[in-house]
Amino acid sequence: GENVEQHPSTLSVQEGDSAVIKCTYSDSASNYFPWYKQELGKRPQLIIDIRSNVGEKKDQRIAVTLNKTAKHFSLHITETQPEDSAVYFCAAKAAGNKLTFGGGTRVLVKP
Amino acid sequence: DAMVIQNPRYQVTQFGKPVTLSCSQTLNHNVMYWYQQKSSQAPKLLFHYYDKDFNNEADTPDNFQSRRPNTSFCFLDIRSPGLGDAAMYLCATSRDQREGYKQFFGPGTRLTVL
Repeated sequence: GENVEQHPSTLSVQEGDSAVIKCTYSDSASNYFPWYKQELGKRPQLIIDIRSNVGEKKDQRIAVTLNKTAKHFSLHITETQPEDSAVYFCAAKAAGNKLTFGGGTRVLVKP
Repeated sequence: DAMVIQNPRYQVTQFGKPVTLSCSQTLNHNVMYWYQQKSSQAPKLLFHYYDKDFNNEADTPDNFQSRRPNTSFCFLDIRSPGLGDAAMYLCATSRDQREGYKQFFGPGTRLTVL
């Protein structure tokens, strides 16, 4: 089955700096890669996603890049703000309706 | 607003006492999922329904059961909760893969086992 690895597990950045989280996946059939943000005690919220026929997608301060050949994808957050502090999960979807999640990255944005 | 609703938000039960968690959705999505999440770990899929078709994960304990009486509702039954079952239980929904893959999560039910 699919295996998704996510790095780093924790990330501390200064407000205004950029943050990058990287994920690798194992199943070359995976074709959909969402990113979720989860604040303490709240639900995971979809913040951006990318399909395998696209190499990059951007939404304001958030961007995701996908390298199908290398089987890795990354989340980029620019101009970080304190409200970006949360746990971020990457995921990959292969055949069927199931997502395989990475282990999560705890991001702390220091004012 | 279309959404995924979970009740109750907090549930306290005693060791071994059956408990049922509920999820409802107004999105009219085909697929409903139940996840278990512990201490900021990744959500762990327990099972999912594609319409009425039940799909169990191989490592989901028999202690966990589910029912989906109609498109809108899905229930998680824990027959004999143990201390290790204390967690956040998240319900999610999505359209089937022909129309899209986005999964939308409910607010979760935090289960405490005494």
